Amino acid sequence: GENVEQHPSTLSVQEGDSAVIKCTYSDSASNYFPWYKQELGKGPQLIIDIRSNVGEKKDQRIAVTLNKTAKHFSLHITETQPEDSAVYFCAVRPPRRSYIPTFGRGTSLIVHP
Amino acid sequence: DTAVSQTPKYLVTQMGNDKSIKCEQNLGHDTMYWYKQDSKKFLKIMFSYNNKELIINETVPNRFSPKSPDKAHLNLHINSLELGDSAVYFCASSQAQQGADRSPLHFGNGTRLTVT
Repeated sequence: GENVEQHPSTLSVQEGDSAVIKCTYSDSASNYFPWYKQELGKGPQLIIDIRSNVGEKKDQRIAVTLNKTAKHFSLHITETQPEDSAVYFCAVRPPRRSYIPTFGRGTSLIVHP
Repeated sequence: DTAVSQTPKYLVTQMGNDKSIKCEQNLGHDTMYWYKQDSKKFLKIMFSYNNKELIINETVPNRFSPKSPDKAHLNLHINSLELGDSAVYFCASSQAQQGADRSPLHFGNGTRLTVT
């Protein structure tokens, strides 16, 4: 099946620092790469996504970069704030598995004020 | 307006009991899912339905039986609950599965199941 590896599992930063989370995947036919944020007691929510025809996408303090050749994509958060503290998940929708979304194991981001 | 709603939010029950979790989405999506999130936050797919038809059934014990009366609802019934079933169960939905492989999931807020 599809293998999605996400690193690091925990990330602790000071407010104002940048945070980077990386995911690698195995199905080269995958062409959609979303990132989700899960706050305590809630379901994951989409924060940004990227399609395979672009290498980078930005939305204010959040950006995602994609390297299809190396089969990895990364989430970048700049000027982190305490409210960025949450669990972040990457996901892929591999065609070989009927496009069923497969998630990385999550990164717990802690932003210290 | 809640897009994907699950009930109940909390469910505490004893081993051996049978329980159900309900899920409804008002987004007009064709595909719905059940995910299980364990204590380490890992999200594992259990079932996927597209237009009321089962698309995928991962290696889930047959004590778990999903039911989709229409494309806006996907309920999960669990028989003979076991301690290992304790987890948070998330319902989600997305646009049509194939041809729209680039659509994000919309999650409910989860049902925390505790089996004692």
